[in-house]
Amino acid sequence: EAQVTQNPRYLITVTGKKLTVTCSQNMNHEYMSWYRQDPGLGLRQIYYSMNVEVTDKGDVPEGYKVSRKEKRNFPLILESPSPNQTSLYFCASSTGPNSPLHFGNGTRLTVT
Amino acid sequence: AQSVAQPEDQVNVAEGNPLTVKCTYSVSGNPYLFWYVQYPNRGLQFLLKYITGDNLVKGSYGFEAEFNKSQTSFHLKKPSALVSDSALYFCAVRDLPGGSYIPTFGRGTSLIVHP
Repeated sequence: EAQVTQNPRYLITVTGKKLTVTCSQNMNHEYMSWYRQDPGLGLRQIYYSMNVEVTDKGDVPEGYKVSRKEKRNFPLILESPSPNQTSLYFCASSTGPNSPLHFGNGTRLTVT
Repeated sequence: AQSVAQPEDQVNVAEGNPLTVKCTYSVSGNPYLFWYVQYPNRGLQFLLKYITGDNLVKGSYGFEAEFNKSQTSFHLKKPSALVSDSALYFCAVRDLPGGSYIPTFGRGTSLIVHP
């Protein structure tokens, strides 16, 4: 089954403790991206990647890092999480920026 | 610059009645428009898209959307609503040609279909 898989689904952590949210897609998509969803703000893009080793900032990149060492994986790294990064995070992939996005089921992160 | 607005936070409709979820956009060039749906505890799912061609676009689950260039709108419609259509709906836009690789999403509209 074609899918985007995110892990974990739920994560509670404390301020400053580094964490990684994994994302993997099995559709051989070149384009991958990370979004955060906050009430009243919709989806905002954090980072995107056009291909392996090619990443770029989205609208809200501060406090986040990404890497694209393999085509299928696009982890999101929070080096020092803060409470304002409490949010619902989605990974998405597509064949390109003009193509429909395929979303994972989300990771709900709480930073205390 | 590109932007999109969903003027209604919530739309209520009775089952069997037609529904409309509104979206307006602003771009410098030509718009590439999408609608997505989000069910509880799930990621967004693609419904339909418009880039060029017929102004009436048909998508998944019986939904359609009408592109109106003069009103810069791309409203989502369905002739007969189902309770199972209750979900959060997002409109998104990219500016073409050569616009940002980042699509801009609206804030979302919660559709509630009453039995």
